[in-house]
Amino acid sequence: AQKVTQAQTEISVVEKEDVTLDCVYETRDTTYYLFWYKQPPSGELVFLIRRNSFDEQNEISGRYSWNFQKSTSSFNFTITASQVVDSAVYFCALSEGSGGSNYKLTFGKGTLLTVNP
Amino acid sequence: EAQVTQNPRYLITVTGKKLTVTCSQNMNHEYMSWYRQDPGLGLRQIYYSMNVEVTDKGDVPEGYKVSRKEKRNFPLILESPSPNQTSLYFCASSTRGGNQPQHFGDGTRLSIL
Repeated sequence: AQKVTQAQTEISVVEKEDVTLDCVYETRDTTYYLFWYKQPPSGELVFLIRRNSFDEQNEISGRYSWNFQKSTSSFNFTITASQVVDSAVYFCALSEGSGGSNYKLTFGKGTLLTVNP
Repeated sequence: EAQVTQNPRYLITVTGKKLTVTCSQNMNHEYMSWYRQDPGLGLRQIYYSMNVEVTDKGDVPEGYKVSRKEKRNFPLILESPSPNQTSLYFCASSTRGGNQPQHFGDGTRLSIL
């Protein structure tokens, strides 16, 4: 069974600090997909990134970067020079990729990030 | 504009009174799914549909029904709502499955008294 753990329930930082959100996953499948979604205070869910299990290359998008390490089953998300607008709940999610398993999507419990001015 | 539309956005109702939350997408997506979000529990998948007339249970299907008679619509039905179904509900769609980026609706906040 697939599982996603986001051990950090809440994180509070001061603007311009760097912050890393942790995500650890469990799956028996060799093909799987990992995601990060953002839920700002307004409530909508916004897709940030998708990574498949065969691509361990780290990704950077502006102030956002993602570190995927299969050896530790982790897919961590770093925000550099955080801003108040980054305040949100961030969800990590996992979908297995083979057979009928790719229809299920499992989310972690989320990390509430508060960036204070 | 590509979107997933849920109605109603807010509903307060009483135990046992059947209700339906509608979900419609205009992106011709094959895959649609429902989630509930509860404090401390994150998002949990209720049901999903791979295509018209094809649905399956997610992690928390008890007390819910769904149908997929048309590609664009995926209503969530609570036949006999109970207070433990008070939650924030999201509908989502994607091109082919959970392994694709999901497009989410704006959410429906249900309160069952």
